[in-house]
Amino acid sequence: GESVGLHLPTLSVQEGDNSIINCAYSNSASDYFIWYKQESGKGPQFIIDIRSNMDKRQGQRVTVLLNKTVKHLSLQIAATQPGDSAVYFCAENGEDTGRRALTFGSGTRLQVQP
Amino acid sequence: ETGVTQTPRHLVMGMTNKKSLKCEQHLGHNAMYWYKQSAKKPLELMFVYNFKEQTENNSVPSRFSPECPNSSHLFLHLHTLQPEDSALYLCASSQASGVGETQYFGPGTRLLVL
Repeated sequence: GESVGLHLPTLSVQEGDNSIINCAYSNSASDYFIWYKQESGKGPQFIIDIRSNMDKRQGQRVTVLLNKTVKHLSLQIAATQPGDSAVYFCAENGEDTGRRALTFGSGTRLQVQP
Repeated sequence: ETGVTQTPRHLVMGMTNKKSLKCEQHLGHNAMYWYKQSAKKPLELMFVYNFKEQTENNSVPSRFSPECPNSSHLFLHLHTLQPEDSALYLCASSQASGVGETQYFGPGTRLLVL
């Protein structure tokens, strides 16, 4: 069935290093992809999004890469800081899915070591 | 803050109780959502409202009853819940409910059913 999944449940990095969080999706009709960050005790917070007509988009210290050929999405965080420690979710939707609400992956926990 | 508030933040209820969760958005959005977030599971969409009309019900048991009196407010009425309903209930809003609409989340209500 349609699904959005994450390769690694936990990622541990050293402060100052770059982080890469990966996400695989199965729906080839997905048009829109989004990354959220969820800190303990808070709701998911929007980080960055990308549409299917792009393969890269950059924000402040974050870059999202989309490879539609292999249905893979990644979030790169430059110079990771302790405040980046959180669970990161990818999500997607598309007109052909029959539902317009987002479908979320299971999340990757990023732990930043000082 | 995201402009989406939820009350209460924490709730403990017995299986015979009736309670309601409240969500309010101050973003001028027209679509609102309820999600359930259980441990180690992806966010599960429950309901979608667009311009006060329910547009999606993701096979949610009838013990959960949503209400959307206007585009700024969303309620989730709870009655005769089960212990497995214990979870974080998240509200979100977006400008509309179409593809590519960024959803902004509230902090959630942590629910414990005894």
